[in-house]
Amino acid sequence: DAKTTQPPSMDCAEGRAANLPCNHSTISGNEYVYWYRQIHSQGPQYIIHGLKNNETNEMASLIITEDRKSSTLILPHATLRDTAVYYCIVRATGDDKIIFGKGTRLHILP
Amino acid sequence: KAGVTQTPRYLIKTRGQQVTLSCSPISGHRSVSWYQQTPGQGLQFLFEYFSETQRNKGNFPGRFSGRQFSNSRSEMNVSTLELGDSALYLCASREKVTYEQYFGPGTRLTVT
Repeated sequence: DAKTTQPPSMDCAEGRAANLPCNHSTISGNEYVYWYRQIHSQGPQYIIHGLKNNETNEMASLIITEDRKSSTLILPHATLRDTAVYYCIVRATGDDKIIFGKGTRLHILP
Repeated sequence: KAGVTQTPRYLIKTRGQQVTLSCSPISGHRSVSWYQQTPGQGLQFLFEYFSETQRNKGNFPGRFSGRQFSNSRSEMNVSTLELGDSALYLCASREKVTYEQYFGPGTRLTVT
């Protein structure tokens, strides 16, 4: 079973920041938080991952709470192309299996 | 670098037949994982291969099998196809060190 909980869907206006929450209250000390997204009928795309520090790359920012029980993926300036299902996953180093939950369907509104 | 490639992209088979799907990982990636995606069950892990050895396996019947070749290319086979095997089959590769998985476009299998 997936160890994460995400809202099933969210809306965000184009040009605004999209903030996608994820709860992972049972995360272990050696588990990372990963985010992927899947645009319709394509393979999932890796976005970002982190352990306990906030992370930023060219696609997004990842904010992890101090107790590591939740995180937020931030898309700073959402565009219509960001419409996708976003998956939050926890996974330990050396754990080869990714268990996907239901994800959040993000709708970007023009 | 070229991304993960999967062939064929689309496939239609009849119940009872078998099918073989192919995956070529990103150059230098030695790990290949397979996933099944259906509307009802979502993305489910099938198995992972690393250096030609199966390292992990999901909860699928023995009709689902796979293998990896010395060049890291992988194939998965489904025998005695059932209607419920209709799905998008995704392959992902990764470098051992970084652990990010990169997915291919998938093979859409339809069983009639």
